[in-house]
Amino acid sequence: DTGVSQNPRHKITKRGQNVTFRCDPISEHNRLYWYRQTLGQGPEFLTYFQNEAQLEKSRLLSDRFSAERPKGSFSTLEIQRTEQGDSAMYLCASSLVEGGGYTFGSGTRLTVV
Amino acid sequence: GDSVTQMEGPVTLSEEAFLTINCTYTATGYPSLFWYVQYPGEGLQLLLKATKADDKGSNKGFEATYRKETTSFHLEKGSVQVSDSAVYFCAPITGGGNKLTFGTGTQLKVEL
Repeated sequence: DTGVSQNPRHKITKRGQNVTFRCDPISEHNRLYWYRQTLGQGPEFLTYFQNEAQLEKSRLLSDRFSAERPKGSFSTLEIQRTEQGDSAMYLCASSLVEGGGYTFGSGTRLTVV
Repeated sequence: GDSVTQMEGPVTLSEEAFLTINCTYTATGYPSLFWYVQYPGEGLQLLLKATKADDKGSNKGFEATYRKETTSFHLEKGSVQVSDSAVYFCAPITGGGNKLTFGTGTQLKVEL
């Protein structure tokens, strides 16, 4: 078990471009979460999946953001038409049981220039 | 809505000093409570947790007790080390969906 893996670690993109991040959770974990963290702040919830079903999305998640988890394994987070305000660390986490706490990945740092 | 209030940082201590980082929360019901730690350039790591009132979570010399009456979960360590320098986040699980709600974090700097 190698933990939660996120790729890429860093992404620099020009404003208006689309970007996609990938998260590979711990294999037996059925819940997968996406959070966003800006400098000096705590992580903010974006969305979560139980198996392949996306069960909740935050109001922070504008229609430019979309997340998928096909087959209930890895997940992708896509941001279309990126804006400078999208610059942040995007964190993925997974968990097995309710109330058990998450295992976080190292994150993908997005810089929009 | 649900929220977390942590003491503002940075907290600067000398090695072997006693550490307290205060955390209070508002949430519906009696959530499980967590402390996460984030070392520079890394993701968050679970430090300790408590799932019901009066439970004490502990790990690596850190402790926190779930105080239902005061809705608090203060983090303590008797003797900090330079390697403890990091940002510490208090987070209850709130609402449905097992979501963690994070505070702004408290940066700890430990000096020799």
